[in-house]
Amino acid sequence: DAKTTQPNSMESNEEEPVHLPCNHSTISGTDYIHWYRQLPSQGPEYVIHGLTSNVNNRMASLAIAEDRKSSTLILHRATLRDAAVYYCILRDVRSGGYQKVTFGTGTKLQVIP
Amino acid sequence: DAGVTQSPTHLIKTRGQQVTLRCSPKSGHDTVSWYQQALGQGPQFIFQYYEEEERQRGNFPDRFSGHQFPNYSSELNVNALLLGDSALYLCASSLERGEQFFGPGTRLTVL
Repeated sequence: DAKTTQPNSMESNEEEPVHLPCNHSTISGTDYIHWYRQLPSQGPEYVIHGLTSNVNNRMASLAIAEDRKSSTLILHRATLRDAAVYYCILRDVRSGGYQKVTFGTGTKLQVIP
Repeated sequence: DAGVTQSPTHLIKTRGQQVTLRCSPKSGHDTVSWYQQALGQGPQFIFQYYEEEERQRGNFPDRFSGHQFPNYSSELNVNALLLGDSALYLCASSLERGEQFFGPGTRLTVL
């Protein structure tokens, strides 16, 4: 499986934008980039995913580098509720589903009031 | 829609015992995946069930087994429990190639 690398932790002030980076230099052409987040005492929650183009939804934006070797999850205005561990994972659409995908340790985001 | 539900919420067992964890998928979902999450770590894939069969498996010993029922609900069984099996066990459901929705997990403590 292609691997991802994320910083262990980041801090942001409340109502400021947050940019969470992810490196995936060995990504293959059939890998989608997915982001999940895990709030304390909860299961992971889907945030966003993309293949090549930047993506926006109600929760966040995903900016994908032109060479696809890195991506950035953007939270436009951090709230206290956004404090969580954010995971960047790669999903090979050829294999279907999430077989044998390792989440890694993710980035723990702390939001400061 | 109740989403993915898991039972029990918490469980305490002793070494050598066996445990069964249960998962009800989100309405309409036919695929169930199980993950183990040790404290401070990301979820690790155990296996995935579709049409009542195990399709893929992660690097877990045969002590970990599962089952999927015709209504798509699923069980995870762990035999001969070890201290290292203490973790949060997460169930996720999806359509065959869709996004996964996770349940709140079952916290297993092995003493």
